[in-house]
Amino acid sequence: IVMTQSPATLSVSPGERATLSCRASQSVSSNLAWYQQKPGQAPRLLIYAASTRATGIPARFSGSGSGAEFTLTVSSLQSEDFVVYYCQQYNNWPRTFGQGTKVEIK
Amino acid sequence: EVQLVESGGDLVQPGGSLRLSCAASGFTFRSYWMHWVRQSPGKGLVWVSRINTDGGGTTYADSVKGRFTISRDNAKNTLYLQMNSLSAEDTAVYYCVRDNSDFFDYWGQGTLVTVSS
Repeated sequence: IVMTQSPATLSVSPGERATLSCRASQSVSSNLAWYQQKPGQAPRLLIYAASTRATGIPARFSGSGSGAEFTLTVSSLQSEDFVVYYCQQYNNWPRTFGQGTKVEIK
Repeated sequence: EVQLVESGGDLVQPGGSLRLSCAASGFTFRSYWMHWVRQSPGKGLVWVSRINTDGGGTTYADSVKGRFTISRDNAKNTLYLQMNSLSAEDTAVYYCVRDNSDFFDYWGQGTLVTVSS
């Protein structure tokens, strides 16, 4: 399954909303996770089951969608949120990731 | 606190071999499937391999099948990745990852493998 994220780069001002998209080449049901990766660090789980926040993840992060279309929304961007985000499907083998969306300061 | 600490990354020549280790702590290691995920410099994440709880079930990405072997020692709380016939395309940071109901909830800090002459 090919996961396609858009846009590749998203320019947003601090305090504004960011909407990231992830599309699967076929249905993955709700078996979709989102990860955040800061420079020089390992990815961190943000969202699983398409819309469930992982432990300790702030409420400004939310996920939606099912089937083949998914969205990650960050309601009010903080300085530490300007990093890279990946989606991943875990409905089929091999597990596959999107190519990532970099959120940068506008 | 869940901790995954990888080691074993190094500079290796093309065609060479390397074994990565991942020491797990803070959870019941034998109860979880585990994975290796890699990330080439400046690139995205690529799933490499997984192993079930008792080590009897493994799966590999096509790109490493027949060259890499994943294994685990539940008595030592350690995950391994034996990598043979390495090529430049295998250059990456390799992450040890815990599987929680199929999604990846904890990641190690990664270990760098560089394949170059």
